[in-house]
Amino acid sequence: GAGVSQSPSNKVTEKGKDVELRCDPISGHTALYWYRQSLGQGLEFLIYFQGNSAPDKSGLPSDRFSAERTGGSVSTLTIQRTQQEDSAVYLCASSLGPSGASQPQHFGDGTRLSIL
Amino acid sequence: AQSVTQLDSQVPVFEEAPVELRCNYSSSVSVYLFWYVQYPNQGLQLLLKYLSGSTLVKGINGFEAEFNKSQTSFHLRKPSVHISDTAEYFCAVSPNTGKLIFGQGTTLQVKP
Repeated sequence: GAGVSQSPSNKVTEKGKDVELRCDPISGHTALYWYRQSLGQGLEFLIYFQGNSAPDKSGLPSDRFSAERTGGSVSTLTIQRTQQEDSAVYLCASSLGPSGASQPQHFGDGTRLSIL
Repeated sequence: AQSVTQLDSQVPVFEEAPVELRCNYSSSVSVYLFWYVQYPNQGLQLLLKYLSGSTLVKGINGFEAEFNKSQTSFHLRKPSVHISDTAEYFCAVSPNTGKLIFGQGTTLQVKP
């Protein structure tokens, strides 16, 4: 079956521009997560959506980062006024429910973001 | 707060030799434990998980891990590795809040 789909797979943009990264979770998965993977920081949690509950935004590094999830399915991660330190691979994952409820997270292949 | 330490950043090993990738965690609450593998230019794939019960957990591709509560460890093992096991391996904990907290990763390099 279809896995988690992320687009674009690669994005190169100039410093100061806004970018939008898209994630299509596995159908029926109620939980959706965004992580950032960079050389200096490893894998960092960014934000988590679970059903209709308020998202857990505790991992967003600054107010330039935001995310939404429309209709409980597709999610978009937006980075405004990009900086060079935003260069990283952004990974999306989905699960049937919270990881604590024994449901593993399924990851997409990521979007590689490069800020010039 | 929770944290995960993977004690080796790189582990070189010859094909068909056994391997152990070490993981220690710190948490003041009960957590669930996971190992993920990442092949080049791909996302993470779940190898195995520990939720409760038997402390020896078997996963895909012949990997297994043992949960040791007293030592707060969750080391990953494989008795005989293949070239195709070359990848980056991540240990992670989930404190039942949804998010995963990852270690820094261990690069397994299998040599012929």
